Amino acid sequence: KQEVTQIPAALSVPEGENLVLNCSFTDSAIYNLQWFRQDPGKGLTSLLLIQSSQREQTSGRLNASLDKSSGRSTLYIAASQPGDSATYLCAVRPSIQGAQKLVFGQGTRLTINP
Amino acid sequence: DAGVIQSPRHEVTEMGQEVTLRCKPISGHDYLFWYRQTMMRGLELLIYFNNNVPIDDSGMPEDRFSAKMPNASFSTLKIQPSEPRDSAVYFCASSRWTDTQYFGPGTRLTVL
Repeated sequence: KQEVTQIPAALSVPEGENLVLNCSFTDSAIYNLQWFRQDPGKGLTSLLLIQSSQREQTSGRLNASLDKSSGRSTLYIAASQPGDSATYLCAVRPSIQGAQKLVFGQGTRLTINP
Repeated sequence: DAGVIQSPRHEVTEMGQEVTLRCKPISGHDYLFWYRQTMMRGLELLIYFNNNVPIDDSGMPEDRFSAKMPNASFSTLKIQPSEPRDSAVYFCASSRWTDTQYFGPGTRLTVL
């Protein structure tokens, strides 16, 4: 059974710092991996999606990497801003054909202090 | 597009009552998902549909929960009878086969 773990559960850093969020998964047979952002009281918003054949994806100040063999992904946020404060969730999609199920980590609650 | 629409946004009910949550997916999306989020268990997939047909309901906690998708633009998640441990935020999401899932704003359910 696929399990996804995110460490740390919470992180607080001063504005302007570069930071890394970690995600690990137990089964390397994945179709893709996604990073989502969740603001308080809101739904999830997809940030980056990495296919199993890819090593990384970039969007603006965000860069996500994927190392399938070691079961790890990182989300790098450059020059953090108070508006980046949110919970970040990692989710993997199993590689089984037709299986649309996402398995989510518990998330990292990020606070950027002005 | 308005995105995934869920109603109601908040629901407070008493134990034993029937609760119906509603979802309108994004037009053109052929997959629809129902999730539940709690502090203890995080985000859990309850059930998902493809072209209005339930594909996997293994996450539905028990027979008190049921979900339907009568057409491509509407789905319901029903809890009958409701219990305090059902209190959570319920999300609906939709997608195309190769696309990411787009989430609605959620329904916060409180069962007293």
